[in-house]
Amino acid sequence: GAGVSQTPSNKVTEKGKYVELRCDPISGHTALYWYRQSLGQGPEFLIYFQGTGAADDSGLPNDRFFAVRPEGSVSTLKIQRTERGDSAVYLCASSLGDENEQFFGPGTRLTVL
Amino acid sequence: RKEVEQDPGPFNVPEGATVAFNCTYSNSASQSFFWYRQDCRKEPKLLMSVYSSGNEDGRFTAQLNRASQYISLLIRDSKLSDSATYLCVVNRGSARQLTFGSGTQLTVLP
Repeated sequence: GAGVSQTPSNKVTEKGKYVELRCDPISGHTALYWYRQSLGQGPEFLIYFQGTGAADDSGLPNDRFFAVRPEGSVSTLKIQRTERGDSAVYLCASSLGDENEQFFGPGTRLTVL
Repeated sequence: RKEVEQDPGPFNVPEGATVAFNCTYSNSASQSFFWYRQDCRKEPKLLMSVYSSGNEDGRFTAQLNRASQYISLLIRDSKLSDSATYLCVVNRGSARQLTFGSGTQLTVLP
């Protein structure tokens, strides 16, 4: 079946711009996670949704980052006033329930110039 | 101190070799433990879960020592296709997010 998909696969933007990154989880998966992976590091947790609500947003680095999942399926990660330090691969994962295996999407590579 | 620490490597080994990776975690509340594999410029994929009793999946053996807060992965008879970065991962149970180590890079040479 289809796995987790993320769009765009690559995004280049200028410092100060706004970006949206999209995640389509595996159909039927209620839990959705966003992670960020910088070069040479493991993924770092950003936010977790159970259904439509953000159950844990403790990993969001600051208020420039926001995520939504209005219908409990697709999620969008929004970054305002991007900074060069935001450059990373943004990974989305989904799981059937919050105690099941997390399946990762291919990621969006964000480059802020 | 990072919550999950791994030797970054790189480990360069010949085909057929046995290689071991180690990992320590700092949060004693951690409840679930995993090894993930990540190929270059690809997403992480679950390799295996790690249980206190130790577990084996073909050529891969994982062990957990809760008292020492230490996790290991042993790969026997390594193949060229085992070349990847191996990520040590813990889950704190009450928090659903995964906490990853920085990864250990393995290259299996012909």
